[in-house]
Amino acid sequence: KNEVEQSPQNLTAQEGEFITINCSYSVGISALHWLQQHPGGGIVSLFMLSSGKKKHGRLIATINIQEKHSSLHITASHPRDSAVYICAVVSGSRLTFGEGTQLTVNP
Amino acid sequence: DAMVIQNPRYQVTQFGKPVTLSCSQTLNHNVMYWYQQKSSQAPKLLFHYYDKDFNNEADTPDNFQSRRPNTSFCFLDIRSPGLGDAAMYLCATRGSYNEQFFGPGTRLTVL
Repeated sequence: KNEVEQSPQNLTAQEGEFITINCSYSVGISALHWLQQHPGGGIVSLFMLSSGKKKHGRLIATINIQEKHSSLHITASHPRDSAVYICAVVSGSRLTFGEGTQLTVNP
Repeated sequence: DAMVIQNPRYQVTQFGKPVTLSCSQTLNHNVMYWYQQKSSQAPKLLFHYYDKDFNNEADTPDNFQSRRPNTSFCFLDIRSPGLGDAAMYLCATRGSYNEQFFGPGTRLTVL
């Protein structure tokens, strides 16, 4: 079992839909990152969380430390949101990645 | 303002011909990482540095080596690239508050 599990693996939505991607982890962490990677591109950190909730534009990230669970929400999704979204946890000096969620938003 | 810079962005090498990928950072972060990412897979940690302390992952092939001459620069040397080493190579840094910054990656093609 992976230390970081994401669901769903693939997600297709229509423009404007509300999207949720989930992440569960099984190790003790000091922080959790939500990362975005466009096809053939580098990785961008969207959020770093250690508790609670953060919002940036149409993106919202939440974390429940007791339940070892985090969610990334995208409101009013747009085709430019199409990318791979990766949950990654900081444990000691390591960053452990989930397998990623491929999001496709159709116009 | 680029904070983690990788050069080159695309590198083509021949089977067995040594290649060096470079990474520089303007963030003055102590921790630097090299990851290998193959298509549709999560990044795989190859090495990381805490300052000059070098940490090699147990399953990183001997073919791969790394140098960090100073805080700003880090190099990945692939001594004898094989076809299986074709991948995206990502450099990343970590700051004191666990903030992570990734470079744009170098895509390596082995002919």
